[in-house]
Amino acid sequence: QKEVEQDPGPLSVPEGAIVSLNCTYSNSAFQYFMWYRQYSRKGPELLMYTYSSGNKEDGRFTAQVDKSSKYISLFIRDSQPSDSATYLCAMTTRSNDYKLSFGAGTTVTVRA
Amino acid sequence: NAGVTQTPKFQVLKTGQSMTLQCAQDMNHNSMYWYRQDPGMGLRLIYYSASEGTTDKGEVPDGYNVSRLKKQNFLLGLESAAPSQTSVYFCASSTRDGGGEAKNIQYFGAGTRLSVL
Repeated sequence: QKEVEQDPGPLSVPEGAIVSLNCTYSNSAFQYFMWYRQYSRKGPELLMYTYSSGNKEDGRFTAQVDKSSKYISLFIRDSQPSDSATYLCAMTTRSNDYKLSFGAGTTVTVRA
Repeated sequence: NAGVTQTPKFQVLKTGQSMTLQCAQDMNHNSMYWYRQDPGMGLRLIYYSASEGTTDKGEVPDGYNVSRLKKQNFLLGLESAAPSQTSVYFCASSTRDGGGEAKNIQYFGAGTRLSVL
């Protein structure tokens, strides 16, 4: 079993829809959680960063962490065609925090 | 502000050939990483370097070697390329923020697309 599980999709939604992306993990020591966005033929770029449990909001993006369930989510409100990309979750522990464990990525297409 | 720069962007090799992928960062980061990305597999860590002059194996190090002689450069070598090494390779760098909360935000280059025939 992989340390971080992420549904690969693909996910196709109409413009304006809410996109919901999820990852589950098995290592209870993970405390730092990230979402990266990767456009086609580009490198990943950091989208959201969350420490421990709770919610974080940045514009149309909301990241949620539920450590009790070992489950993290990313919500995209009012999705736009420019949100079409692959979204990767990543996480790390406090003691080994220079190495990230990545999910496989979910490919999202927002249809105009 | 260049960030992380990878060269070359594309490369085609024949089985058995050798090559070096180059990575440079201008953010004064201590840590650097090499990943490979394959369909359905996500990003897998090949090697990493926590600081200049040190390197350690990641998840999939076989068939690769690395060099971190300067803080800003991290080189990935393929001694004898195999078709299984056909992939997209990403270099990344990161630093630990100051204060009580340790962080590891990794910044990625644009990737090198390698095909081994």
